[in-house]
Amino acid sequence: SYELTQPPSMSVSPGQTASITCSGDTLGDKYASWYQQKPGQSPMLVIYQNTKRPSGIPERISGSNSGNTATLTISGTQAMDEADYYCQAWDSTFVVFGGGTKLTVL
Amino acid sequence: QVQLQESGPGLMKPSETLSLTCTVSGGSVSRYYWSWIRQPPGKGLEWIGYIYYSGATNYSPSLKSRITISVDTSNNQLSLRLSSVTAADTAVYYCAKNQYGGGRNDAFDIWGQGTVVTVSS
Repeated sequence: SYELTQPPSMSVSPGQTASITCSGDTLGDKYASWYQQKPGQSPMLVIYQNTKRPSGIPERISGSNSGNTATLTISGTQAMDEADYYCQAWDSTFVVFGGGTKLTVL
Repeated sequence: QVQLQESGPGLMKPSETLSLTCTVSGGSVSRYYWSWIRQPPGKGLEWIGYIYYSGATNYSPSLKSRITISVDTSNNQLSLRLSSVTAADTAVYYCAKNQYGGGRNDAFDIWGQGTVVTVSS
């Protein structure tokens, strides 16, 4: 079965750039989406179709996808960005989620 | 704006059948594809399956033998049934709206608040 691999955790200083990776076999040939989940809340879509932002998502959140790696980039990281982030893609007709990355802003 | 609200039994015993309902407001259940996704305590997201109002479904291979997803257009609801539950089925269960039609470019753009299901003897 298809797998997406994310680092379990990472930390970033306020104002710096956080880059969260998601790896999978030929992931660049698929569409990657990203979700942000804060404690006690439901996931929220922040990136779809590799690079697109839903309405209301700030421009400092961006995405890319090439080769075997999709990347979620958060520029000028703020305390409010501290959350779990999940990547997602489709393997044929089935949905696959990455294991999630806990982003700490400190 | 579409909103989703899940409801369920909360606590169940092993071997029972789980039944969850997701009520759709602010939009018609007949317009989109809808999914169920779950999250065990302290763990990541797991896709369960999706349905279109026509009845077309697509289920996760790992759960396919135990799940049924259905749509009730008259009540604007979707439902999930999961048979023979075990402690491993303990999770927060979310319903979500598919952004598109279940294709390779699809994502989940609206989520319910989730309902907690605990399986314990």
